[in-house]
Amino acid sequence: DTEVTQTPKHLVMGMTNKKSLKCEQHMGHRAMYWYKQKAKKPPELMFVYSYEKLSINESVPSRFSPECPNSSLLNLHLHALQPEDSALYLCASSQVNRVDEKLFFGSGTQLSVL
Amino acid sequence: KNEVEQSPQNLTAQEGEFITINCSYSVGISALHWLQQHPGGGIVSLFMLSSGKKKHGRLIATINIQEKHSSLHITASHPRDSAVYICAVRGATNKLIFGTGTLLAVQP
Repeated sequence: DTEVTQTPKHLVMGMTNKKSLKCEQHMGHRAMYWYKQKAKKPPELMFVYSYEKLSINESVPSRFSPECPNSSLLNLHLHALQPEDSALYLCASSQVNRVDEKLFFGSGTQLSVL
Repeated sequence: KNEVEQSPQNLTAQEGEFITINCSYSVGISALHWLQQHPGGGIVSLFMLSSGKKKHGRLIATINIQEKHSSLHITASHPRDSAVYICAVRGATNKLIFGTGTLLAVQP
């Protein structure tokens, strides 16, 4: 199994809603990542988890709250989002967070905030 | 100026043509990645290079560390190759720095 699975594929939410994005991998990878991608732009790193601990937070607003409950699962909790947060949210994983490691990406969650 | 530049930004080819996409970077790197993204979709990692050349099927990736340049070649292109191709480098900060991508359209 070389897949990173993201759910849901599409999400529409209001600015007062609370929702969560889920990412799962069963490759035994110990580094997991959240990226945000706006249309026609490259992905932007949001968070990195290494061995289930948050190792990088790229100054992401607190309305985005990551969680890594175990080595296979990564969540992104969303609360009080703004319309400008509408984007494709990509999850990725690698064996460890090291420069020579290949990244495996999920197919993303397309988020629309109304 | 971006730390990772790709050219061309857009490329239209006829089926069967040989395609080259270029990537130049200005930072010291430990590895360079070539990624493929279909519209509205996730990203597939095609290659990770730190030196030399790699081949997978009809795809070939090369890197010249001294010149800070990499190329992705597609031989016998096919409409299903139509996608955005992204070059990304990993340097001292261990973060991926992405290029702005090359939108490839292969027409039948």
